[in-house]
Amino acid sequence: GAVVSQHPSWVICKSGTSVKIECRSLDFQATTMFWYRQFPKQSLMLMATSNEGSKATYEQGVEKDKFLINHASLTLSTLTVTSAHPEDSSFYICSGGLAGTDTQYFGPGTRLTVL
Amino acid sequence: GENVEQHPSTLSVQEGDSAVIKCTYSDSASNYFPWYKQELGKGPQLIIDIRSNVGEKKDQRIAVTLNKTAKHFSLHITETQPEDSAVYFCAAISTGGGNKLTFGTGTQLKVEL
Repeated sequence: GAVVSQHPSWVICKSGTSVKIECRSLDFQATTMFWYRQFPKQSLMLMATSNEGSKATYEQGVEKDKFLINHASLTLSTLTVTSAHPEDSSFYICSGGLAGTDTQYFGPGTRLTVL
Repeated sequence: GENVEQHPSTLSVQEGDSAVIKCTYSDSASNYFPWYKQELGKGPQLIIDIRSNVGEKKDQRIAVTLNKTAKHFSLHITETQPEDSAVYFCAAISTGGGNKLTFGTGTQLKVEL
């Protein structure tokens, strides 16, 4: 199946700093990329949908100024958590969608811990 | 919007037994139903999916059934093995939802020796 990578796999940062997470589709072009957040023992919650070259669409309750998403190419999307606080600590997962299909392939996730 | 419910939340079976996980969805316009396996600390892995024009699909020890009338779909794992132990999520996509997945709450499957 299609492969999606994320970098870094884990990051620890101080409160108030910003953190950037990269999501890459390695062997396919992802017209659409999705960003999810998962708290311990919970399901995945969609944060935003991004299409290459256009602004991301955020889900209700997700602050677009806090979670900046850039989808500059068909193989790369980035999520920047700005002014991170302890409550932003979570497992962030991206997925890439193949053009013309419903199938989403997920990355391995990034564990963010904000001290 | 779509709402997906999943049962049970935990499931413990003996190695070699079968495991069944059930999901229901609310939006009759949903037409794609994937199942994901998530191991601890990793991202979800697509294991099988089914579309609304199909009632059943099988891939080796894994099968999925779909009942459109009742709006529920199930995952069946036969001859379970310890490596099947993980959290399983069902999901649904609605045709009017912009390809957005709505996930169930997850089932922690434990296969005991």
